[in-house]
Amino acid sequence: DAMVIQNPRYQVTQFGKPVTLSCSQTLNHNVMYWYQQKSSQAPKLLFHYYDKDFNNEADTPDNFQSRRPNTSFCFLDIRSPGLGDAAMYLCATSTGGSSYEQYFGPGTRLTVT
Amino acid sequence: SQQGEEDPQALSIQEGENATMNCSYKTSINNLQWYRQNSGRGLVHLILIRSNEREKHSGRLRVTLDTSKKSSSLLITASRAADTASYFCATVSGSARQLTFGSGTQLTVLP
Repeated sequence: DAMVIQNPRYQVTQFGKPVTLSCSQTLNHNVMYWYQQKSSQAPKLLFHYYDKDFNNEADTPDNFQSRRPNTSFCFLDIRSPGLGDAAMYLCATSTGGSSYEQYFGPGTRLTVT
Repeated sequence: SQQGEEDPQALSIQEGENATMNCSYKTSINNLQWYRQNSGRGLVHLILIRSNEREKHSGRLRVTLDTSKKSSSLLITASRAADTASYFCATVSGSARQLTFGSGTQLTVLP
């Protein structure tokens, strides 16, 4: 089945130690998104790629970066995680254009110790 | 930033009852979507209503939209224990159709 896959599902990192979360999709969608969701809060968009064009939300911390080496994969890099970065990170895809529905992966729960 | 508020924040009902959740938003919209999130999981798209529509149905779901009041409601009829989840409304903006979510309603359906 076509889907959005996130690895790992659970990630523990140390304060200040760089960490990378990965997302892959078999939907061949043009757009990939990264959201941060803290406990009992709504998902918040960090950035997205429309094909190879990277778009950062204005309030996304500089500590967060992303890479999209090809259509299928997108990575979220957190350069120096702080305790406040502990959250669920959700990857989503869409075709863009006239289609509005987004398809979400199961998320990666990041713990910072 | 969060688009708007949803109420109630939490709702607990018995199986078979109807559940109604409300969403308010701040900006003009082309459409509004509702998503469900089971505990600790990703979101699943439920239904989309366009700005020129007032009501839309999908199975046990009924969504209404009042653009003059910038509000929407989601009704789940004949609820089941499996409907227990968080429900978020979301508005769309930008060429990449970025979503801005409401604060969410946690629905618990008791068997």
